[in-house]
Amino acid sequence: AQSVTQLDSQVPVFEEAPVELRCNYSSSVSVYLFWYVQYPNQGLQLLLKYLSGSTLVKGINGFEAEFNKSQTSFHLRKPSVHISDTAEYFCAVSLIQGAQKLVFGQGTRLTINP
Amino acid sequence: DAGVIQSPRHEVTEMGQEVTLRCKPISGHNSLFWYRQTMMRGLELLIYFNNNVPIDDSGMPEDRFSAKMPNASFSTLKIQPSEPRDSAVYFCASSFTGGSRETQYFGPGTRLLVL
Repeated sequence: AQSVTQLDSQVPVFEEAPVELRCNYSSSVSVYLFWYVQYPNQGLQLLLKYLSGSTLVKGINGFEAEFNKSQTSFHLRKPSVHISDTAEYFCAVSLIQGAQKLVFGQGTRLTINP
Repeated sequence: DAGVIQSPRHEVTEMGQEVTLRCKPISGHNSLFWYRQTMMRGLELLIYFNNNVPIDDSGMPEDRFSAKMPNASFSTLKIQPSEPRDSAVYFCASSFTGGSRETQYFGPGTRLLVL
């Protein structure tokens, strides 16, 4: 079975500061990796995904993530955050072969302070 | 495209009542997923369909929950009878499953409160 651990439940950051949201996963087989963002009272929106190829993946809104197979990590980064980035961020995995369901981490609430 | 459409957006009901949640996936998508989000358990998959056929319902909590997909453009999730512990946000998502894993697009969710 697959599992995802988001190491920080809450991350407060000042506006224009850099941020890293951490994600580690566990799986005995290869997986695809995703980051989703959920703004208050809204559904989930895909930020970026890693399927194959370059381990550095760029997404929307200036976010990027790096896949590290040896450390089974997929941390999300942004060099300079904005107030509008305040949201909950979810890391997720799905199998490459077989069931395509997403297994989510518990989420990290990113709060941007002015 | 209108995206994934869910209705109702909010539902308040009393324990024991039947609740039906509805989802219209994105046109052309052939996979549909129902997720539940709670504070205690986070986001968890309840069931998913591929080409209108249920593929994995191992996440359905118990017999009180049932889901159908009578055609490619409509799915329902029914809870009968409802209980207070069913209070959660229920998301529907859809994707096109081709040769590789495609993005799942989520609807806005239905916020269910069972009193």
